[in-house]
Amino acid sequence: GAVVSQHPSRVICKSGTSVKIECRSLDFQATTMFWYRQFPKQSLMLMATSNEGSKATYEQGVEKDKFLINHASLTLSTLTVTSAHPEDSSFYICSVGGRFETQYFGPGTRLLVL
Amino acid sequence: GEDVEQSLFLSVREGDSSVINCTYTDSSSTYLYWYKQEPGAGLQLLTYIFSNMDMKQDQRLTVLLNKKDKHLSLRIADTQTGDSAIYFCAESTGGGNKLTFGTGTQLKVEL
Repeated sequence: GAVVSQHPSRVICKSGTSVKIECRSLDFQATTMFWYRQFPKQSLMLMATSNEGSKATYEQGVEKDKFLINHASLTLSTLTVTSAHPEDSSFYICSVGGRFETQYFGPGTRLLVL
Repeated sequence: GEDVEQSLFLSVREGDSSVINCTYTDSSSTYLYWYKQEPGAGLQLLTYIFSNMDMKQDQRLTVLLNKKDKHLSLRIADTQTGDSAIYFCAESTGGGNKLTFGTGTQLKVEL
């Protein structure tokens, strides 16, 4: 399967600032990446599908101006949480689309907004 | 709609078998998957099964698929403390690698 990294693994920021999270596919060229949000003891909530070289497709209810996604290369997608607020605190996980319609996940980024 | 349901919690003793169940609603899913999530980590793909198969075995893991009842199960033989985690089933929906995840089952293995 694909090896996926995320950076940073953990970030604390002040309310009103923006935070960028990187998702890298280390050994696989990924035309499609996915961004999820996970609340404690809950399942994953798909936020958006990131397509290399084109605009991301956002799920219903996800603000595209707040969660900016850029997929500029086959190995890197970024999620920027703009003007972060405490309610944006969560665990953000990215994944890469693989064979047999699978997804391979990164280790996640814990965001805490004070 | 696409809903994937799992029981929330399962507790077993070390050495016993664990069976985690999942029900789904989208009969057109091509593949179904089991993922494992340890605390504070991402999801690890454990195994997957093609929808025209009934069973798949991979070392200690056995996946059973009942398409008629839209029921998927994961059996872990000789469960170890390292198997303690949250297990998610998922189904492929709509193509393009898009998946719908279940609610997750927390497996606790006791000595």
